[in-house]
Amino acid sequence: KNEVEQSPQNLTAQEGEFITINCSYSVGISALHWLQQHPGGGIVSLFMLSSGKKKHGRLIATINIQEKHSSLHITASHPRDSAVYICAVIGNQFYFGTGTSLTVIP
Amino acid sequence: DADVTQTPRNRITKTGKRIMLECSQTKGHDRMYWYRQDPGLGLRLIYYSFDVKDINKGEISDGYSVSRQAQAKFSLSLESAIPNQTALYFCATSVVGLAGGSGNEQFFGPGTRLTVL
Repeated sequence: KNEVEQSPQNLTAQEGEFITINCSYSVGISALHWLQQHPGGGIVSLFMLSSGKKKHGRLIATINIQEKHSSLHITASHPRDSAVYICAVIGNQFYFGTGTSLTVIP
Repeated sequence: DADVTQTPRNRITKTGKRIMLECSQTKGHDRMYWYRQDPGLGLRLIYYSFDVKDINKGEISDGYSVSRQAQAKFSLSLESAIPNQTALYFCATSVVGLAGGSGNEQFFGPGTRLTVL
C-alpha cells in the first residue's frame, strides 16, 4: 500500500511544452514537499506547501487538501528540467512517492 | 560549500564488513535523517534524530545503527553488510518547527552510493 502515488511514472516532452506531474496521497498531512533529483543523484527541495499555490520561476505547485492532491507544473520546459520529481508528504512521518522521471527533448 | 555533506560518496565493500557512512551539516538544524533509495522505490527512512539525545528507528532500521555525535554529525553504520543493502543512501536535515510549518522542509546531502559484493 503506497501512501503517496505519483503520475505519470515517466514523461517525455518536447522543449517548450507545459508539463504537469500529479501527486495523490491517502494520509492526513500537515504539508507536502516537492523534490527534484538530478541524474547524478542529488536531491534538492523545490517547494514546501500546505495550502494553495506557490510559484518559483517556471515552476508552479498547487495543493488541494480536501482532494488530497497536488500538482507540479513546469512552464516552457527545457532540457535542463530533465530529472526525477519526487512528492513527499508530512503526516505522522514522512512518506515519499516513487518519483516521476521527466525527459525534455531539445 | 555544501550545507549537508556525506562521506564517502561511493563505497564498494564485501559481505560481512562493517561500514560507516558519515553526515555533517552546517545548517544548524536539530533534526537529521538517514534514508535509502532503491530503484523503483521511494526514499525509505532508516533512522532519524530530533536532537543529540534523541534517536528513533524508521521504517527499515534492521541491520543498521546510528550515532549522533553532535548536533552537526549523524553517522550510519552497517554492522555486517549484506548485498541487499546495496543502495543510494541520503542524509537530510530539517529545523525544529511547528507541525505543518516550513520547518519540516528537508535538505538533502549529495548521497552515498554503496555497493556490497
